Amino acid sequence: DSGVTQTPKHLITATGQRVTLRCSPRSGDLSVYWYQQSLDQGLQFLIQYYNGEERAKGNILERFSAQQFPDLHSELNLSSLELGDSALYFCASSRKSWGGEETQYFGPGTRLLVL
Amino acid sequence: AQKITQTQPGMFVQEKEAVTLDCTYDTSDPSYGLFWYKQPSSGEMIFLIYQGSYDQQNATEGRYSLNFQKARKSANLVISASQLGDSAMYFCAMREGRKAAGNKLTFGGGTRVLVKP
Repeated sequence: DSGVTQTPKHLITATGQRVTLRCSPRSGDLSVYWYQQSLDQGLQFLIQYYNGEERAKGNILERFSAQQFPDLHSELNLSSLELGDSALYFCASSRKSWGGEETQYFGPGTRLLVL
Repeated sequence: AQKITQTQPGMFVQEKEAVTLDCTYDTSDPSYGLFWYKQPSSGEMIFLIYQGSYDQQNATEGRYSLNFQKARKSANLVISASQLGDSAMYFCAMREGRKAAGNKLTFGGGTRVLVKP
């Protein structure tokens, strides 16, 4: 158990709908990351937040948005869903370590199926 | 161009034997980190081992070791004494650049390992 929690575990929805994925980082971690894992694109970085502020952005679609709240949990909002958005969405978290690396620890993922 | 290349899509290994998973990377940044993650069939991503670009020695974590050859830009994972529970997908990943600029990981395509009893 990495200490990162994600809800829900599974989500089935229809095209055109909107969903929200939730992530709680490990205690003490200020950074939260979102990744998408799909069969055709592999594992791709979407976005990083650090202590409530956006820190880095990857190949995140305009239909997707995220935020990190004051209690450090994060939400990934996916709207106008398309079939191709079906994927496993991971949240990861990390903390600064002086002189060391910020290892990212991943949650169990949310499996999204768009029908 | 691919930044992380894992050329072995799948491999079999006999239980109790060692296995080497290949990973080559491409970066012009002098500061980077290399990671290996394991993804069992249940889907979660489990951190295994890390190697920094300035580390002089190869990283080891229990049965996992990283064969880091900087000049060749390779970071191969060695799993010793394979166990049935090692059957999984293994991903190599890289973090480039200054950590203050963001900490995103770029992943390879993965290698599926199946341990035979």
